[in-house]
Amino acid sequence: GAVVSQHPSRVICKSGTSVKIECRSLDFQATTMFWYRQFPKKSLMLMATSNEGSKATYEQGVEKDKFLINHASLTLSTLTVTSAHPEDSSFYICSARVGGEIASPLHFGNGTRLTVT
Amino acid sequence: GQNIDQPTEMTATEGAIVQINCTYQTSGFNGLFWYQQHAGEAPTFLSYNVLDGLEEKGRFSSFLSRSKGYSYLLLKELQMKDSASYLCAAIDSNYQLIWGAGTKLIIKP
Repeated sequence: GAVVSQHPSRVICKSGTSVKIECRSLDFQATTMFWYRQFPKKSLMLMATSNEGSKATYEQGVEKDKFLINHASLTLSTLTVTSAHPEDSSFYICSARVGGEIASPLHFGNGTRLTVT
Repeated sequence: GQNIDQPTEMTATEGAIVQINCTYQTSGFNGLFWYQQHAGEAPTFLSYNVLDGLEEKGRFSSFLSRSKGYSYLLLKELQMKDSASYLCAAIDSNYQLIWGAGTKLIIKP
């Protein structure tokens, strides 16, 4: 079945540094990928929609200069958390649909647990 | 505003049946997903409903009533591995996914 691979699974970084998270679709092409953030016991929050070959679409309240998204190929999207601060500590998850229809379920990567010290 | 409501936590016994409810208020509706999420892991797809009625998949079934803005996930013959959070997500008229906060299901022996 469709697999979305996300790396790294865990990362600890110091405040002020940047962290890059990769999301790959392993056996299908994903023109669109979605980046979510999840706080403990909270709902998934869509941060941005990553579009291959064009600029990402950010949700209201998400700083595009802080959360840089690059979707350079049909199988890879990256999220870079720039100048990370402790409040950026969270669980980041990417996802993609195999088919183009809205009824196609999202396949999620395994998530990245980011801790900023 | 758009909203998804589901219970925060439920407890059930191994081998029993449990029903997790979800009510939604969205601008338009294009279907509803149920996902399972184990602690520290990403969600995995369980079901999709867009028409009224019951969809059965093995031990898991999902029901939808569009007129009532209501869905439920039914889990039968509960196993310890079913301990997880169950997320309800509705698709609005803009084809955006609106996520519930999830129901944490605790299975006791």
